[in-house]
Amino acid sequence: GQSLEQPSEVTAVEGAIVQINCTYQTSGFYGLSWYQQHDGGAPTFLSYNALDGLEETGRFSSFLSRSDSYGYLLLQELQMKDSASYFCAVRDDKIIFGKGTRLHILP
Amino acid sequence: NAGVMQNPRHLVRRRGQEARLRCSPMKGHSHVYWYRQLPEEGLKFMVYLQKENIIDESGMPKERFSAEFPKEGPSILRIQQVVRGDSAAYFCASSVVTGTYNEQFFGPGTRLTVL
Repeated sequence: GQSLEQPSEVTAVEGAIVQINCTYQTSGFYGLSWYQQHDGGAPTFLSYNALDGLEETGRFSSFLSRSDSYGYLLLQELQMKDSASYFCAVRDDKIIFGKGTRLHILP
Repeated sequence: NAGVMQNPRHLVRRRGQEARLRCSPMKGHSHVYWYRQLPEEGLKFMVYLQKENIIDESGMPKERFSAEFPKEGPSILRIQQVVRGDSAAYFCASSVVTGTYNEQFFGPGTRLTVL
């Protein structure tokens, strides 16, 4: 079967750094994406990794290791507005989403 | 430069009625995806369409659910004879497929409540 595993919840302090991990098991693989979703809102695209390594976009970075079927999203200088759910998604012949990690940020 | 539009934003139906959800993709996007999200859950793929063509409907229940994306007009997700278990948020996304990469842009969703 196809599955993506990510922690259900993570808590961090404002200004700190947090890493959200994602492991996947899929029949095919083109790339790993990350999406952010605030409560009651729509998912918004954050990043995409097709190749191994780290991609940096401002305070957010995403990493992929294809040999380990593993990736992570790194959020730096956390702000209260970063409180949201974060989904990893694998592109096979369609996009398969994980169940999401709810990020709680403490002041 | 409007994003993906969905309507209605909220829809209430009684058991046995039909629900019609509409999605207009971003300008220039010819690929539409429908997802269902239950509370505290991830997005579950339902169907992938291009204009006048269903590409992949492997995530859509065989009965009561249908989807279309006509040459003109929005994509429609139709749920016939709704049941309480159909209550969920339904998101539509659109993309321009470029090679093996297709960032998806999501609409605001339709929240369906079945009484």
